[in-house]
Amino acid sequence: DQQVKQNSPSLSVQEGRISILNCDYTNSMFDYFLWYKKYPAEGPTFLISISSIKDKNEDGRFTVFLNKSAKHLSLHIVPSQPGDSAVYFCAATRTGAGSYQLTFGKGTKLSVIP
Amino acid sequence: DVKVTQSSRYLVKRTGEKVFLECVQDMDHENMFWYRQDPGLGLRLIYFSYDVKMKEKGDIPEGYSVSREKKERFSLILESASTNQTSMYLCASIAGGDTSGNKYEQYFGPGTRLTVT
Repeated sequence: DQQVKQNSPSLSVQEGRISILNCDYTNSMFDYFLWYKKYPAEGPTFLISISSIKDKNEDGRFTVFLNKSAKHLSLHIVPSQPGDSAVYFCAATRTGAGSYQLTFGKGTKLSVIP
Repeated sequence: DVKVTQSSRYLVKRTGEKVFLECVQDMDHENMFWYRQDPGLGLRLIYFSYDVKMKEKGDIPEGYSVSREKKERFSLILESASTNQTSMYLCASIAGGDTSGNKYEQYFGPGTRLTVT
């Protein structure tokens, strides 16, 4: 059973517009969420995270929103740039359990068109 | 900066061969992980280790084993490689305890693209 779901395998956006990547989770014990970005033939790199005690976290062009009641989070990229073209993975974990294991979604491939 | 290195970027092996993938991190992290990434399947956890000589199965351990004899090194072993183990293999690490603001951020190596023919 997939506990972290990214239902859009791909997304295309014009340069300069907003990119919105979505992620849903089913495990109510998850309380910390991360987004990773991955270019082909490279390892994923951490982008931004959010704790369940917040509903928004912002870092430059990247903002993550968390809706706990809906078990939904989204990553907004504004403005989108061609260099943002990559696969984005949503991940979740349960803090305080003594484990640092992350559960990942299947990823969304973002293409930013110049 | 945390650095996670993997022994090979690309590897081609034959069916039935024993394959060793090595991962080394330089930040004295307690926790290390092996994932495989396949198109449409995302990152799937194979094994992880929270201390030297300790290991735990992840979601897809079948056909794999691991070794952690030193804190900085975590090895993934394919006892008898099969074509369905052709994949991108990613190693990651993270410190234990509340060591930073992003305390659940795992640091990834560059990956090993393994092809089994």
